[in-house]
Amino acid sequence: GENVEQHPSTLSVQEGDSAVIKCTYSDSASNYFPWYKQELGKRPQLIIDIRSNVGEKKDQRIAVTLNKTAKHFSLHITETQPEDSAVYFCAATLGTLGRLYFGRGTQLTVWP
Amino acid sequence: DTAVSQTPKYLVTQMGNDKSIKCEQNLGHDTMYWYKQDSKKFLKIMFSYNNKELIINETVPNRFSPKSPDKAHLNLHINSLELGDSAVYFCASSRIEGVASQETQYFGPGTRLLVL
Repeated sequence: GENVEQHPSTLSVQEGDSAVIKCTYSDSASNYFPWYKQELGKRPQLIIDIRSNVGEKKDQRIAVTLNKTAKHFSLHITETQPEDSAVYFCAATLGTLGRLYFGRGTQLTVWP
Repeated sequence: DTAVSQTPKYLVTQMGNDKSIKCEQNLGHDTMYWYKQDSKKFLKIMFSYNNKELIINETVPNRFSPKSPDKAHLNLHINSLELGDSAVYFCASSRIEGVASQETQYFGPGTRLLVL
């Protein structure tokens, strides 16, 4: 199977600063890497994803980079706002069954 | 415009009871999933059905039995509930189109199960 490691487990930043969350995966055949945001008491919601044939993807203040050689991918949030505070999960998909292997999550706190 | 819905939202019950959670999606997806999120927020897949066929069955006690009457519904029945079953259970759905095209998984709002 796949093993996804996520760091850090907690991250506190000042409003306006950038936040970076890093994940590594073990199986080089993994081909899809989504990031989910989960606010307190809510469902996980996809914020951005990247496929193995792409090295970087950006959506406004959020970007994801993928290094297939090193088997790691990162989430970058610029100009953070208090509403960015949530738990962020990275995940990797291996194979055709849609099985998502999740990292253990990063609690991001943005202080005003 | 609820895409993936679950009932009930909260479930408080005694040890030893049997309970069911229901999930429905109106996205036209062919694959549905059950995840368990423990108190440390770890999300772990339990089961997955593709076109009503079981395709993922993780190491889960056989007290847990999923059932998919059709592509839009996936239910989870739990027998003889134990304290350790207390968690948030999320349903999700997606469309699988082969190796080259993994689609987004959309999650339901979750069912918060508390076993006393």
